[in-house]
Formats: sequence, structure tokens, C-alpha cells
Amino acid sequence: DAGVIQSPRHEVTEMGQEVTLRCKPISGHDYLFWYRQTMMRGLELLIYFNNNVPIDDSGMPEDRFSAKMPNASFSTLKIQPSEPRDSAVYFCASSVTGELFFGEGSRLTVL
Amino acid sequence: AQSVTQPDIHITVSEGASLELRCNYSYGATPYLFWYVQSPGQGLQLLLKYFSGDTLVQGIKGFEAEFKRSQSSFNLRKPSVHWSDAAEYFCAVGTPPGGGNKLTFGTGTQLKVEL
Repeated sequence: DAGVIQSPRHEVTEMGQEVTLRCKPISGHDYLFWYRQTMMRGLELLIYFNNNVPIDDSGMPEDRFSAKMPNASFSTLKIQPSEPRDSAVYFCASSVTGELFFGEGSRLTVL
Repeated sequence: AQSVTQPDIHITVSEGASLELRCNYSYGATPYLFWYVQSPGQGLQLLLKYFSGDTLVQGIKGFEAEFKRSQSSFNLRKPSVHWSDAAEYFCAVGTPPGGGNKLTFGTGTQLKVEL
């Protein structure tokens, strides 16, 4: 079975540019999560969806961050404009029974 | 709100030695509990989980964990560590029902294995 698929795996961009991270959850999973991992703050939940509807976006750092889930098989996390402090690994995870399955992450570097 | 504490940031053990990683949680009722492992450059992989029932749970790769309600703990153990176990380990708590899907993670314990 295919796991959670994220793209790109690595992204290097300059401050001020728009960044879009993509996620394909495991088929049949009705929850989708976006986490951010940094050395300083560890794993932080940014937002999660249930049946494509955003349930809790209280972890989204600021208005520069937005996430969408237009259908059950696709989600995006967008940062516009990006800043150096957004540099991190962004993980997408999906779930159906309470156990999260993680993608391999998208490592973002903002110069 | 729930929280998780992993008091050990780094642990070094010799290959073949036993291992115990500590995890304490804060939650008003019995939570869902998880241990995940992360190798460098990889995502998190589930080792084991506790939802209810037997408080000693077995996971993959020879790991086990014991839920102790009185101590609010869910420590991870392995009787004999292999060099390939070197990784970062995360404890996580979820709040049932339904909320078990939203997990709060500890800060992680980095395991180093000496040959």
C-alpha cells in the first residue's frame, strides 16, 4: 500500500517567495494533519482536517500560512510570503483509527 | 489540554544492553498513548500504541511499553538494543474519543547505540 506522499522532499527558496507543499493521504483515511518540526520547537501541529473540513487551525503561526484540502486525496500547505524563520521540516500525516501515518516530510529552507 | 514530557533528551546505551525511555503525560482521563521512532531524514513510524485493555503493549522491532495510570507514565522498553535502533523516539498522547486522532508529541529522546 502506498503511504502518505509528500512533495517536494526538499525546497530551497528566497525570502518573500511563495511556497506550496503538497500531500496525498492514504486512501480511506478521513483525518489529515500538517505538522512542522524544528530543533527549537519540536513537532508542532499546524492544522488538521476531518473529511476535508478544517477542524483546528490554531497552530498556524500567522496569516502567511494557509492550508486547503479540496478533496479526500489532496492537501496543500502554502506560505506566502516565506521568511527564513519558516525553515523547517513539514510533515503531513493521515489517520482513520487514531494512529497517525506520516509522510517523509518536506524540508524547507528559506534564504 | 494534554501534554507529554520526555525527560531524557539524549540516551546512550551499548549494543545488547537493555533500554528504557521515559514518558509522562498530563491528561484528566485515560488517553490514547503512542511511541513513534524517527530515523534521520525520515518521517515518524509507529512503534506501538495503547488505547485500552492490557497495560503492557507489544510493538514492532521488539519494543514494548507499559501504561501506568498511577504514575501517568508510558515508558518504552527493549531488552536488548541493536545498533539499528539508534534514532529519535517520540511519545505522543491523544484524547479519546475522536480526539485521539489529534496527537500531542513530546520533545523526543535521541538514542545513541555504542558498538
